[in-house]
Amino acid sequence: HLQLQESGPGLAKPSETLSLTCSVSGGSISSTTYYWGWIRQPPGKGLEWIGTIYYSGSTYYNPSLKSRVTISIDTSKSQFSLKLNSVTAADTAVYYCASRKGAYSSGWYDSWGQGTLVTVSS
Amino acid sequence: FMLTQPHSVSESPGKTVTISCTRSSGRIASNYVQWYQQRPGSSPSTVIYEDNQRPSGVPDRFSGSIDSSSNSASLTISGLKTEDEADYYCQSYESINLVVFGGGTKLTVL
Repeated sequence: HLQLQESGPGLAKPSETLSLTCSVSGGSISSTTYYWGWIRQPPGKGLEWIGTIYYSGSTYYNPSLKSRVTISIDTSKSQFSLKLNSVTAADTAVYYCASRKGAYSSGWYDSWGQGTLVTVSS
Repeated sequence: FMLTQPHSVSESPGKTVTISCTRSSGRIASNYVQWYQQRPGSSPSTVIYEDNQRPSGVPDRFSGSIDSSSNSASLTISGLKTEDEADYYCQSYESINLVVFGGGTKLTVL
């Protein structure tokens, strides 16, 4: 059973870059069976998909965030990372990393990190 | 496309409740639909995947279906328990591997 853990600063300043890392254990981040994703949830609101990465480095981003998002993967460290630049208060949210079991345009999120709250404030 | 869910539903313990998820464009059957349960303060967890499949450990009180005539998916929970009180999210895909979540439905068991 996969275990995922987010890490990174809980506070980001407006206009700066939010950076988070997800560490994967209990399975191989290089598995062809999984995609790796970031999802966020503003306080009191619903889930918003940010983006997905495959072990090969292929990435897929939410069109509404695409211009500000970069997701990368380091298979040697069993980690994948999120960078969101030019943040504003609207980016304040709990950020989850999750594993998606399945194929292209299919599958389900079968393991989630505990989530980490990132607040954007000066 | 968007996935539209009712904001909230409520029902009594022991009863059955159905939560809908309507796809705004494109066919609901084009891509599988998943359902996630999120209790307060917890990460989401899957209760239904691939339209109607239950992960191991999810009770058979949870079932999923799709209806092409209304272009929607549904999550049905029978024999409601107070522990089922949570937010429920449907999720599907654009054809180019883009993920779409519904806005979520708050289930109250009273």
